[in-house]
Amino acid sequence: DAKTTQPPSMDCAEGRAANLPCNHSTISGNEYVYWYRQIHSQGPQYIIHGLKNNETNEMASLIITEDRKSSTLILPHATLRDTAVYYCIVRVYTSGSRLTFGEGTQLTVNP
Amino acid sequence: DVKVTQSSRYLVKRTGEKVFLECVQDMDHENMFWYRQDPGLGLRLIYFSYDVKMKEKGDIPEGYSVSREKKERFSLILESASTNQTSMYLCATTRGSNPPNEKLFFGSGTQLSVL
Repeated sequence: DAKTTQPPSMDCAEGRAANLPCNHSTISGNEYVYWYRQIHSQGPQYIIHGLKNNETNEMASLIITEDRKSSTLILPHATLRDTAVYYCIVRVYTSGSRLTFGEGTQLTVNP
Repeated sequence: DVKVTQSSRYLVKRTGEKVFLECVQDMDHENMFWYRQDPGLGLRLIYFSYDVKMKEKGDIPEGYSVSREKKERFSLILESASTNQTSMYLCATTRGSNPPNEKLFFGSGTQLSVL
């Protein structure tokens, strides 16, 4: 699976958009980008995934660059409850769900 | 919603004890996983299973074994617990192995302390 690089921490004001970057420069053509988050003392929660096109769901938007070497998770109106560690993961979907988590980004939403 | 239930939230055991961590899911998912999470090391895959009575080693299987006798239940076994196995243990499931069925659903975790 491709390696990902994320900033260790970010801050965001409540009500503003939170933009979390992820670099995955060694990604290959069939690898999906997945985002999960983990709120303190809970198990990680799936947010969104994509292959080439930008994706949006009720939780967030995922923007993938044209060369697919980086992506950005956007929380359009961050709330205090969005404070969590956010993980960007790249994997090959044929490899049997062998997801590898890195250290992620600690997002702190401030009032 | 998928429910992944881990039997204990907190567990304290002594060195050398045999420890069983149980995970039960209620959505008929094919795949089940055990991860451990440690500060500075992230989540690491211990074992996973694609079917009943089937198991595969993850990245750090040493010192652990697993059992999947029924589809809904996946047990992690520490044959002889050691202090370096003190960790948060997380169970997860996926419906299948291809998008969109490969989303991981996690339990709340078991914080195991080995004294």
